Formats: sequence, C-alpha cells, structure tokens
Amino acid sequence: AQKITQTQPGMFVQEKEAVTLDCTYDTSDPSYGLFWYKQPSSGEMIFLIYQGSYDQQNATEGRYSLNFQKARKSANLVISASQLGDSAMYFCAMRVPSGGGADGLTFGKGTHLIIQP
Amino acid sequence: NAGVTQTPKFRVLKTGQSMTLLCAQDMNHEYMYWYRQDPGMGLRLIHYSVGEGTTAKGEVPDGYNVSRLKKQNFLLGLESAAPSQTSVYFCASSYNRRYTEAFFGQGTRLTVV
Repeated sequence: AQKITQTQPGMFVQEKEAVTLDCTYDTSDPSYGLFWYKQPSSGEMIFLIYQGSYDQQNATEGRYSLNFQKARKSANLVISASQLGDSAMYFCAMRVPSGGGADGLTFGKGTHLIIQP
Repeated sequence: NAGVTQTPKFRVLKTGQSMTLLCAQDMNHEYMYWYRQDPGMGLRLIHYSVGEGTTAKGEVPDGYNVSRLKKQNFLLGLESAAPSQTSVYFCASSYNRRYTEAFFGQGTRLTVV
C-alpha cells in the first residue's frame, strides 16, 4: 500500500522568504509519480508540480521546485520568494501504476501555510 | 473552458435520504475519480473509473455507488445518507497516461443531519 506523510500541520513564514514543505512517501513500486496541489481558502484544488520516479532532474515550475531525494523517499516542495497569495493548504500526492490496488492519487494530510506580511 | 464541473455545490440531507452528485468533464479524459475530504484527513479515494462503462472501488467505497454511462459523466450516489458522510466531495479526471496530473472540480459540500 502507498502512503504519503506530511509532518508539518501548519507553518508561518514571512513574506518574501523561501518555504520548504516536507513530504515523504512509501511505496515498493519503482515506478511512481509525485504531485503537489494547492488548496486556497476558496476550496479548489490547484495542480502545482509533478516529479516522476525516473526523472533525472528535480522538477521546477516558476517559483515552485520539487526537491526529490529518491533514496530518502522525500519530495519536498520549495516555494521561492513567498507571497501573501501563497497562503493555503498544500497537499503532496502520489500515483502508482495499478498493481492490484486502486488507481488514483494517494494524498497526505496536508500542510496549512500562512504567509505573514 | 469548463474543465470539471460538479453539481450541486452545496447540499443538506436528512439521515436516510438519497442523492446523486454529478460530475461532468469536457477534456475527453478516460479516467475519472471521486474523493472525499474530511478535516485533517486529506483526500481519500471513494471510487474511480478508467473508462466508459467501468467502475472500481477506492479506499473508502462503503455507502456509495457510482456509474459511468457516458465518458464525460461520472455519478456518485448515496442510497441512504448517514451523518458520517458529511464531507466535501471532489470529482477529478485525468488522461489515461499514468503520470499526468488530475484536474479537480470545485467540490460539493454535503451535510447530513
């Protein structure tokens, strides 16, 4: 079974600072995908960034980057130069090819990030 | 671009009542999913479908049924609602390529009293 662990229930960060949101995962399958989603207070789920288990380089999307450490099974999200609009819940998720289990994303419990001016 | 649309956005049910949540996507996605989100629990997969006419159970399927009669629609049914089914429900869809992101609907806030 797959599992995602996010150990930071909440974080307070000063505006313009960099933020690292932690995510560790557990799977025995060598082939998987890792995703980060943002959920603002309005409730929608917004896709941020993706990393494949065989990708050689860490993924980047604008101010978002994924610090992928395969041996440690970690996939931390880094937000550079944080903005007030970054305040939201952030979810780490994993997708593993169906090997008898359910297809779909497995989510962590999330980190509530608050950016302070 | 509509993307993924859920109907309704809010609903209050009495215990024992039934209802159907509708999800529609206009991206020609093969895969569709229903999740529920509870405080402190993240999102958990209820049921999913890998194509028209197919459905499968996810992590928390009990008390729910689904149907995918048309590729663009995925229905979630509650036959006899219980207070434990009070939650925010999200529908999502994705291409059949395994490592593409899922696109989510706006969510349905359901309260069972």
